[in-house]
Amino acid sequence: DGGITQSPKYLFRKEGQNVTLSCEQNLNHDAMYWYRQDPGQGLRLIYYSQIVNDFQKGDIAEGYSVSREKKESFPLTVTSAQKNPTAFYLCASLLGHSGANVLTFGAGSRLTVL
Amino acid sequence: GDSVTQMEGPVTLSEEAFLTINCTYTATGYPSLFWYVQYPGEGLQLLLKATKADDKGSNKGFEATYRKETTSFHLEKGSVQVSDSAVYFCALLKNTGNQFYFGTGTSLTVIP
Repeated sequence: DGGITQSPKYLFRKEGQNVTLSCEQNLNHDAMYWYRQDPGQGLRLIYYSQIVNDFQKGDIAEGYSVSREKKESFPLTVTSAQKNPTAFYLCASLLGHSGANVLTFGAGSRLTVL
Repeated sequence: GDSVTQMEGPVTLSEEAFLTINCTYTATGYPSLFWYVQYPGEGLQLLLKATKADDKGSNKGFEATYRKETTSFHLEKGSVQVSDSAVYFCALLKNTGNQFYFGTGTSLTVIP
């Protein structure tokens, strides 16, 4: 079955370390997104990519970096510059055509800074 | 700018009660509207959608009607079950570009 795989599901990091969250999709979707979710809050957009080798900053890109070298992969690096990285991170993808597009989500990765 | 405003929670209902979660939006043009559901520790799943005015989306007993005149997309269910306990997100997708806008989510707890 097609879908989005995020790994790891749980990750612990010491302060000052960079960590990379993996997101892989086999849906042949063009666009991919990273969102951050904090308790009791909605989703905030970190980065998104419409096509390979291109990506744009979202609302809270500071302290994060991404790459889109392959259509199916969109890893997110949480750098030491991110002051409050403990959160639930969601990756999503979209086919990219206009109309009744549906955003498909992965199961999420929970990052905790120790 | 474009945005979605949804009813703040948490909402607690008894089993078989009627559910309404309000959602209003601000957007230019004719966006598509969505309701997503998130169960504890999981990602979001599409619950239902509507792509034009007066469309009604429905799934698993949930319904929502795209009301352009009131810029609303309220979620309703006639008889909730314990298994409906989750967080519900209203969202819009503009008809230009691929940018989604989400509400802050409404937590629903259904008690037996």
